[in-house]
Amino acid sequence: DIQMTQSPSILSASVGDRVTITCRASQSISYWLAWYQQKPGKAPKLLIYKASSLESGVPSRFSGSGSGTEFTLSISSLQPDDFATYYCQEYYSYWTFGQGTKVEIK
Amino acid sequence: QVQLVQSGAEVKKPGASVKVSCQASGYTFTMYHIHWVRQAPGQGPEWMGWIDPNNGDTKYARRFQGRVTMTRDTSLTSAYMELSRLKSDDTAIYYCARRRSVPIPGVGYWGQGTLVTVSS
Repeated sequence: DIQMTQSPSILSASVGDRVTITCRASQSISYWLAWYQQKPGKAPKLLIYKASSLESGVPSRFSGSGSGTEFTLSISSLQPDDFATYYCQEYYSYWTFGQGTKVEIK
Repeated sequence: QVQLVQSGAEVKKPGASVKVSCQASGYTFTMYHIHWVRQAPGQGPEWMGWIDPNNGDTKYARRFQGRVTMTRDTSLTSAYMELSRLKSDDTAIYYCARRRSVPIPGVGYWGQGTLVTVSS
């Protein structure tokens, strides 16, 4: 089974900061990767699919990159609404999610 | 608009079974697999499997094989997930989910979630 490893687990940042989250797959998944944002009590929300394609309605400050086994999610200028937990997900095989990165206020 | 509406919260004893329903609307039910994903408190989402509403085919995650059964009723545009031999670490929110669209992979639609609590 494919394993997805995110880092860091917790990221402390301030409004306006640029932040980057990394996701590594245990084997190549090409570009079959998505990123989600989750807030407490809510289902995850799709941000990025196919590693770098922005879902409709998602602000352009979010971007994704990578292929194979290494992927990143970047937020160019952190906004108050962005403090949340972020998950990567591969859908090359079935669906495997990373363990999450919590972006908290510094 | 696409909606996935799940059944209500459940409290079960260890060793029991639970069956969660997911009623779909706003699209052709047989066009998209229904996936089941659970999320334990403080943990990341965990995929359990999918069912193809068109023909009833299923695929289960290895760790749930033998304990999970996914079914559907096309007349009710509903999918069901039954988990047996419940343990305390099965306590989680269970979601049904669907990909965003044919050209857009990734989970675009989620049910509201069903909290299953396993406690003696």
